[in-house]
Amino acid sequence: AQKVTQAQTEISVVEKEDVTLDCVYETRDTTYYLFWYKQPPSGELVFLIRRNSFDEQNEISGRYSWNFQKSTSSFNFTITASQVVDSAVYFCALSGHGSSNTGKLIFGQGTTLQVKP
Amino acid sequence: NAGVTQTPKFRILKIGQSMTLQCAQDMNHNYMYWYRQDPGMGLKLIYYSVGAGITDKGEVPNGYNVSRSTTEDFPLRLELAAPSQTSVYFCASRKQGLAGVQGQFFGPGTRLTVL
Repeated sequence: AQKVTQAQTEISVVEKEDVTLDCVYETRDTTYYLFWYKQPPSGELVFLIRRNSFDEQNEISGRYSWNFQKSTSSFNFTITASQVVDSAVYFCALSGHGSSNTGKLIFGQGTTLQVKP
Repeated sequence: NAGVTQTPKFRILKIGQSMTLQCAQDMNHNYMYWYRQDPGMGLKLIYYSVGAGITDKGEVPNGYNVSRSTTEDFPLRLELAAPSQTSVYFCASRKQGLAGVQGQFFGPGTRLTVL
C-alpha cells in the first residue's frame, strides 16, 4: 500500500529562520512521483514541485529547496530565511508513474507552518 | 483558460438533503478527480475518472456518486447528506501521460457543512 507520513503536525519559527518539513513515503512501485503543495489560509492548493523517483538530484528554487533520498524514502522540504508569507499548510504527496497510471495522489496529513514576525 | 472551476464555493446542507457539486475543466484533460479534505487532514480521493463514461472509486467513496458524460464535466452527487460529509471538496484534472511538470490542476474547492 502507498502511504505518506508528515510527522510534524505544526511548526512555529521566527522570521528569517530556516525550517525543514519532513516527508516519508511508502510504496511498492519502482517508479513514482513525489509532490509538495502549499495551502495558504485562503484555502487553495498551490503546486510547488514534482520529483521523479529516478531523479535523485536535489533541487533549489529561490528560498525553497528539496532533498530527495530514495535510500530513506524521504522527500524533505527546506525554506531558507522564512517569511511571514510562508505561513501555510504544506502537503507532501505521492503518485504512480507511467502512461497507464491513473495518477491518483496519496497525501500526507500536512504540516502547518507558522512564521512569526 | 479558466482551468478547473467548482461551484458552489460554500454550501450548508441539512441532514438528509442531497446536492451536486459541480466541477468543470476547459483544458481537455482526460483524468478528473474528486478529493475531500477534513479539518487538519490531508486530501483523500473519493472518485476519479479516466475519460468520459468511465469512473472508479477512490479511498472514501461511500455516500457519493459521480458521472462523467463529457470530457469537461465531473459532478459529485451527495444523496443523503450526513454530518460526516462536512468537508472541503477539491476537484482536479490532468492530461494523460507525462502531463507536464505540474500533474494535477486543482480547483478552488467547495466548503460544505452538513448540520
